[in-house]
Parts: sequence; structure tokens; C-alpha cells
Amino acid sequence: ETGVTQTPRHLVMGMTNKKSLKCEQHLGHNAMYWYKQSAKKPLELMFVYNFKEQTENNSVPSRFSPECPNSSHLFLHLHTLQPEDSALYLCASSQEMDTVYEQYFGPGTRLTVT
Amino acid sequence: GENVEQHPSTLSVQEGDSAVIKCTYSDSASNYFPWYKQELGKRPQLIIDIRSNVGEKKDQRIAVTLNKTAKHFSLHITETQPEDSAVYFCAVGGSARQLTFGSGTQLTVLP
Repeated sequence: ETGVTQTPRHLVMGMTNKKSLKCEQHLGHNAMYWYKQSAKKPLELMFVYNFKEQTENNSVPSRFSPECPNSSHLFLHLHTLQPEDSALYLCASSQEMDTVYEQYFGPGTRLTVT
Repeated sequence: GENVEQHPSTLSVQEGDSAVIKCTYSDSASNYFPWYKQELGKRPQLIIDIRSNVGEKKDQRIAVTLNKTAKHFSLHITETQPEDSAVYFCAVGGSARQLTFGSGTQLTVLP
């Protein structure tokens, strides 16, 4: 699959579990993003990385921990989540951040916290 | 920060009719206005975008118009087809160097 890929596509976890979401982009982009998409709400930007450096953390609880080892990979580490964290988590990438460009989205990970 | 409002939240039209979705924004320095389409169970995909130096852009049955003075922009879909049924999101980008999304419009095209 080309473009932006995400694994796993579906994840069910208990509140005491630790899991990680993975995103990979094959577009040669330098900026990557994590979004949370809940029903009937706007896409919520969580984290932004530009050239592997975190540039934004939109008041996200510490139970979400991002990691960006290189410009092609982005992880979201999850621990001690709450049921209200159940949502679709979307990864996106764009050419860079200095100029706002189109963002390309991955298919998302549907997360259910029980 | 940027505040984006999108209306309506739901829209039903008869096949062949036109559909219009409108977004307003707050930051006058914003300069990039994309529209994304998200079909059920799929990822959001860009369908059209416009930058602040242009007032209108068309791509076949889809057009976007921008009124910078009034700080609003609209998506126009003509000759709607059932496959146009989806959730449409507007977004605004600019000084914050990130996109702020509207809350989405569920468009249903009735056959």
C-alpha cells in the first residue's frame, strides 16, 4: 500500500493495557500529525512533528505519548486509557510545515477502550 | 487560535440538484482553505483547495468560493450523484502552520 499506512486498523484494549499505534508514510514528507476523530466532533489535532521534532502538543493527556524516530514513521504509545479515549485515530503527513500544504491521511486505527 | 464553523451539519438533496456547504473562520491571516471528503469507513481525502490569492476554483462538478473580507468560504457541488454522499470537512490553515477543521457536514444524495 502506498501513501500513508496505519497499524493496527482496529484495537480493543483495557484501561490498564499498554499498546502502540504505528503510522508510516511513503510520500517523502517531512511533517506528520496525529488526530483524534470522535463522532460528531471536528478532527482534533493531537501532535505535530516537523523534521522529526515535535512542534505541537495540543494539551493532550500524558497517557498519550508520541514518538517520531524518523520523518517516515510516527508512533502513538497508549497507557492507562479511559473509555472516553475510544475514537478513530488518524495519522496524516504533509510536505512540510513552513507553508501549509495538503495533508494526506492514513486509514486510521479504530480504538475501543473497555 | 483559529475558530472554524461549518454549516449545515446535515444536508439532503435530490440526485441532480446542487449542494452548498459553508464555513466561516476567525483569523484574517489564514491563507489556505481545503475541503476533504470522508466516505463511511474511509480516510479523509482532499477534493479541492484554494489559497487566499484566488476567489474561486473549479474542478468539474466541484467548486470552492472564498470571501476574505467576510471570512467565509463555500463548497459547491453541482449535479449531485449518489456517490457524492459522504461527510465533508472544511479546514483552514495559515499563521498557525496547521489545519483547523470544521465539524463536518453529512451529505446524503437521494436517488
